[in-house]
Amino acid sequence: RKEVEQDPGPFNVPEGATVAFNCTYSNSASQSFFWYRQDCRKEPKLLMSVYSSGNEDGRFTAQLNRASQYISLLIRDSKLSDSATYLCVVNTNSGGYQKVTFGTGTKLQVIP
Amino acid sequence: EPEVTQTPSHQVTQMGQEVILRCVPISNHLYFYWYRQILGQKVEFLVSFYNNEISEKSEIFDDQFSVERPDGSNFTLKIRSTKLEDSAMYFCASSEPGGLATNEKLFFGSGTQLSVL
Repeated sequence: RKEVEQDPGPFNVPEGATVAFNCTYSNSASQSFFWYRQDCRKEPKLLMSVYSSGNEDGRFTAQLNRASQYISLLIRDSKLSDSATYLCVVNTNSGGYQKVTFGTGTKLQVIP
Repeated sequence: EPEVTQTPSHQVTQMGQEVILRCVPISNHLYFYWYRQILGQKVEFLVSFYNNEISEKSEIFDDQFSVERPDGSNFTLKIRSTKLEDSAMYFCASSEPGGLATNEKLFFGSGTQLSVL
């Protein structure tokens, strides 16, 4: 099983739609979780952290399910500018240091 | 807003040549990283660096690779003898001085596109 697994997509959705991405991770000792956004040939940029209680930032909602070892990202009222690749990132304490593992990313294309 | 800067933005080199990729992390950050992304593939961890030494490295980071923090601001990645398969976007990242904190966020530079011919 891959350390961090995502559906690569692409997800093609119309403007205004709601879309959800899931990500699973294999190491139950993983401690912190993030969603990053990456535009084509650009650097990843932090979108939001994912907290156990779930958290929301405007149109974006992140959820963590530790029992099932998955995290999710929900985007409401999709905008054209949301088109990007969304990277699931998992931090695990490994030998006293943080090990940061990226998923392959899920590509989102919002269509007019 | 402070940012991680990388130079050059593009580097073209001949197979077998040495290249040095440069990064200036955010000034108060203590943890530094190199990642690479081959076109169309995932972001892959290469190495992390803390307190002037490598804290972790991946299997990709073989003897051809080395990192250095030559002064208080720069963080470099050297590839001694480049191979065709080293062609990729190389991202430098740094994170806040959280020690073993569990919520370190990574701040990435804009990357150096390395093309090995």
